[in-house]
Amino acid sequence: AQSVTQLGSHVSVSEGALVLLRCNYSSSVPPYLFWYVQYPNQGLQLLLKYTTGATLVKGINGFEAEFKKSETSFHLTKPSAHMSDAAEYFCAVSGNQLTFGKGTKLSVIP
Amino acid sequence: KAGVTQTPRYLIKTRGQQVTLSCSPISGHRSVSWYQQTPGQGLQFLFEYFSETQRNKGNFPGRFSGRQFSNSRSEMNVSTLELGDSALYLCASSPQSVGYTFGSGTRLTVV
Repeated sequence: AQSVTQLGSHVSVSEGALVLLRCNYSSSVPPYLFWYVQYPNQGLQLLLKYTTGATLVKGINGFEAEFKKSETSFHLTKPSAHMSDAAEYFCAVSGNQLTFGKGTKLSVIP
Repeated sequence: KAGVTQTPRYLIKTRGQQVTLSCSPISGHRSVSWYQQTPGQGLQFLFEYFSETQRNKGNFPGRFSGRQFSNSRSEMNVSTLELGDSALYLCASSPQSVGYTFGSGTRLTVV
């Protein structure tokens, strides 16, 4: 069985500030982990994924995430928030299917 | 390379009717998965097809069904629609079962 917990359903940051979205997972097998972003009335766009190898994963739009097995975490970060980053972000773990967290809505304050 | 195409984008149906949604995966992708997204339940897995065979199924009633054709295109069908079936239905394709690419979804409203 697998599950994902995203801490904070809503996060607000100022433009130019650090973005940190938290994700903890539970998986009975070595996990594949994903972050997706969803803009209003759109599907899900893959930001980055961890399968094996380097634990620091770089994605699109300046986002990165670090896989920490000991903490069962896969937090998403971006050094400097931009207005265009305002969206909903989903962490997911892959087993037989993708299991998603509840999502974190990111607001960027100008 | 064309992405995952879902049709139609929007749909309004009446309670009790049935509906069919279509998904065309990325060329060469043999795995197609379906998800239901609602504000209350979030993203929930419906089923996955690989090479025309249902490989996994989520915890949804039998009113929800799907199929995959030899060209990997997939359809999902919901019979006897209920108000609670109103949702965004997302399709995702993958060459295997890792690295899913999602379509823009079909917004189903049941009235």
